[in-house]
Amino acid sequence: NAGVMQNPRHLVRRRGQEARLRCSPMKGHSHVYWYRQLPEEGLKFMVYLQKENIIDESGMPKERFSAEFPKEGPSILRIQQVVRGDSAAYFCASSTLAGPSNTGELFFGEGSRLTVL
Amino acid sequence: KQEVTQIPAALSVPEGENLVLNCSFTDSAIYNLQWFRQDPGKGLTSLLLIQSSQREQTSGRLNASLDKSSGRSTLYIAASQPGDSATYLCAVGGSYIPTFGRGTSLIVHP
Repeated sequence: NAGVMQNPRHLVRRRGQEARLRCSPMKGHSHVYWYRQLPEEGLKFMVYLQKENIIDESGMPKERFSAEFPKEGPSILRIQQVVRGDSAAYFCASSTLAGPSNTGELFFGEGSRLTVL
Repeated sequence: KQEVTQIPAALSVPEGENLVLNCSFTDSAIYNLQWFRQDPGKGLTSLLLIQSSQREQTSGRLNASLDKSSGRSTLYIAASQPGDSATYLCAVGGSYIPTFGRGTSLIVHP
């Protein structure tokens, strides 16, 4: 039973380019969270998705960032026109269930490390 | 808004010591609390999950306790080993969005 798979593990982009980060949740998991981690800082929530729906995107900048979790295929975090401040590790976590009465156990991928030159 | 604090931020101990890592949270209306370890350059590995109705969970040399009323959880590591060196994070599960502390960086030296 494969864990949460993220790719690419490392991505280098020049300012102004686009970055696409992919996350395949654990089998049977329909809830996906994206977090960003800067050096020496904690994990900052970005967006929470269920299949085909964005449930909460309150932690994601309104400009240049978007996320999706289609019916088929991985969840994708897209960053347009990247700037140096976007350099960070982006982590995806999946869970079997979530909702106002519970958040299930989280399982994380190895992360995608974005470097913007 | 939930705020999660982990103390100490860093800890260096000799091998064999028993350790206590602390996690405190401001909103006691939580559903669960999860402890993770993160090795440098790696993802987070789940260690223990405590549901809000539970007081503690144990796995090997690890024991986590939860006191919702006081907004605290502790992670106890018995007989620490150099392989325990990592950053330990707690995540508080509330409505939809788990909130993370900034972690405790642990070094266990031989």
